Amino acid sequence: EVQLLESGGGLVQPGGSLRLSCVASGFTFSSYAMSWVRQAPGKGLEWVSGISASGGTTYYADSVNGRFTMSRDNSKDTLYLQMNSLRADDTAVYYCAKRMGGARGFDYWGQGTLVTVSS
Amino acid sequence: QSALTQPASVSGSPGQSITISCTGTSSDVGGYNYVSWYQQHPGKAPKLMIYDVSNRPSGVSDRFSGSKSGNTASLTISGLQAEDDADYYCSSYTGSTYVFGTGTKVTVL
Repeated sequence: EVQLLESGGGLVQPGGSLRLSCVASGFTFSSYAMSWVRQAPGKGLEWVSGISASGGTTYYADSVNGRFTMSRDNSKDTLYLQMNSLRADDTAVYYCAKRMGGARGFDYWGQGTLVTVSS
Repeated sequence: QSALTQPASVSGSPGQSITISCTGTSSDVGGYNYVSWYQQHPGKAPKLMIYDVSNRPSGVSDRFSGSKSGNTASLTISGLQAEDDADYYCSSYTGSTYVFGTGTKVTVL
C-alpha cells in the first residue's frame, strides 16, 4: 500500500524558516517524480514545487521561487521542502504527492501538514 | 502561472448528470493532453479521478468521465450520488510545472 507521511509543519514567525519532510513507502520511491502542493485555509490547491526521480531537476512556482528548496534522499525514501523567508500568505496545508509516470497527474497524496506563518 | 478557471459551484439532483469546465490557455490545457481531475472532501487529501484528459485510475467509478476541446477541459459526473458532494479541481501540465484550477463545489441536492 502506497503511503506518504508528511511532517515538520507548525507555527513560525514571518521571515522564519521551516523544513517539511515526507516519508514514502509502498512503492519504489527512486523511480518517481514528486511534488509539493499546498492549500491555504478555505482556498484551492496550488502547485508549489516538483522534483525529478533522481533529484537532479527541480521546478518551482513563481510564488516560492528563490525562497523554497525541494530535495530528496532516495536512500531514505524521503522528500524535503526547505522553506525560508516565510510570509503570511505561505500559511497552508502542505501535501506531498507522487506523480504518475510521465506528466500525467498525481496518483497518491499524503495527509498534509499545516504551516502557519504568524507573529 | 494563472490558475485555470472553473465555475465556483455546480449542483444537481441524485441521478442527474453534471459537467464542470476547466478553461486555460494554449500554454497549459490546450498544449498538452495531461489534464487531471481531483476530488476533495472536507478535511481530506485530494483524490485523483481522471488523468491524461479522459483516463480513470483503477477503482474510480465509470460515472466519472473527462474530455477536452481546445483550451477547455471538462469533467462529467453521471448518475449523481450523495457521495459525489465534494470539491473538484482540474490540473494541467505546463511544460515544466503544473497549474490547478480554481475549484468547483459540487452540491448534490
